[in-house]
Amino acid sequence: DIQMTQSPSSLSASVGDRVTITCRASQSVSTYLNWYQQKPGKAPKLLIYAASYLKSGVPIRFSGSGSGTDFSLTISSLQAEDFAIYYCQQSYTTPFGFGQGTRLDIK
Amino acid sequence: EVQLVESGGGLAQPGGSLRLSCAASGFTFSDHKMNWVRQAPGKGLEWISFIDGNGYSVYYADSVKGRFTISRDNAKDSLFLQMNSLRPEDTATYYCARDPPGYFDSLDSWGQGTLVTVSS
Repeated sequence: DIQMTQSPSSLSASVGDRVTITCRASQSVSTYLNWYQQKPGKAPKLLIYAASYLKSGVPIRFSGSGSGTDFSLTISSLQAEDFAIYYCQQSYTTPFGFGQGTRLDIK
Repeated sequence: EVQLVESGGGLAQPGGSLRLSCAASGFTFSDHKMNWVRQAPGKGLEWISFIDGNGYSVYYADSVKGRFTISRDNAKDSLFLQMNSLRPEDTATYYCARDPPGYFDSLDSWGQGTLVTVSS
C-alpha cells in the first residue's frame, strides 16, 4: 500500500500569512493527488484534484503543485475561514489512502 | 444541486451487522463511481471502499475486506455498505462520496455522514 505523510502535523498562522503544507507518497502516484479541507463537525471538501487543478468554486488563494512523490498545498493569503484540517489523498491505486492531516490554527 | 444523504448508522454490538445507505440526487448516479470513507472520533480520514458506475468493480481497504460489502442500485440512485462482524474499531462516522469522471478519482461531493458505534 502507498503511505501518505503530511508535514507539518499542525501549524499556527495569522490572517494574511502564506502557508504551505507538504505531502509525500511512499512511491510515485504521478499526479493522482487530491487535497481536502475539513472543518469541525463537517464533511471534507475537495479543494484541489490531480495535484494542481482547483475545484470550481474554490478560492484562487489555494494552489497545489507536485508530481511523483512530493506535493504541496499553498494558501497565498490566509483568511479566517481557512482555519481547518487539511488532508492529502492519493487516487493512483487502491487503497486510496489519506495523509494523517494538518491542523491549521490561528496564531 | 448534488446531494448525498447517508442513513442506517447507530449502535451495534461487536460481531453484529449494520447496513448503511446513501441516497443520491441532483446528478446522474449511474455515471459516477462512489466511495465510502470513515472517520473515527477525533481521528483522520480512512478510505474504505470503492465501486464503479455499473457495480462490477469493487475495492476494499484491508481493514474491512471480507467483512464489509459495497453495492449500489442505480435504479434507486442508492449506494449501500453492508457491514458484518463489526468490531469496536469500526466505530466512526461513515461518509459516502462521489467520484466523478475526469477528476482523477478525487471525491468531489460528500454526504453529511452517519455515525456507527460498536459497543457492548
